Amino acid sequence: DVKVTQSSRYLVKRTGEKVFLECVQDMDHENMFWYRQDPGLGLRLIYFSYDVKMKEKGDIPEGYSVSREKKERFSLILESASTNQTSMYLCASSLLPGPGANVLTFGAGSRLTVL
Amino acid sequence: AQSVAQPEDQVNVAEGNPLTVKCTYSVSGNPYLFWYVQYPNRGLQFLLKYITGDNLVKGSYGFEAEFNKSQTSFHLKKPSALVSDSALYFCAVPVSGGSYIPTFGRGTSLIVHP
Repeated sequence: DVKVTQSSRYLVKRTGEKVFLECVQDMDHENMFWYRQDPGLGLRLIYFSYDVKMKEKGDIPEGYSVSREKKERFSLILESASTNQTSMYLCASSLLPGPGANVLTFGAGSRLTVL
Repeated sequence: AQSVAQPEDQVNVAEGNPLTVKCTYSVSGNPYLFWYVQYPNRGLQFLLKYITGDNLVKGSYGFEAEFNKSQTSFHLKKPSALVSDSALYFCAVPVSGGSYIPTFGRGTSLIVHP
């Protein structure tokens, strides 16, 4: 089975801190994604990546950046955390680029609280 | 714009009764449609998908979904609910335009009562 591992399940940070959320997948998937999940809003795409050193903005990239230096690792960075970034963050990966039949494999999530 | 809608925030059903979680879509052309489930404090897990062919798709844990083109729906069903089916369910559709990244509905909380 594909495994997507998010290094931190729960984090508490202070406003203005720099936050790193790490995600690693072990099945050589090309695509990796970061979503944010909030009650009543579902999942919203922050950034995604098709390949190493490649990144594309999703629907809500403001306040976030990403890094993909190795194929298996996709990091989400909050340069200066704010309270409205308190949320559950979900990393996912999928195998194939291109049209639509890809199944996403998700990590367990990282719940971030910004005080 | 291509999208999915889940009209119910919450569905309540008694254990042993059939369950339905609704999803409607707005997609140009032939859609790919997905259902995912999220158990408490876990990430999302894939349940099933419709690509083409038979309108009734069978998936994990006894779930199935029926693709209805005329009603633009892809409702998730199970003949006999279990308490352990209580979870958050998401419908998803890839958005075209080069990236085909899935866009998700807002989710439906299924509560199965003993």
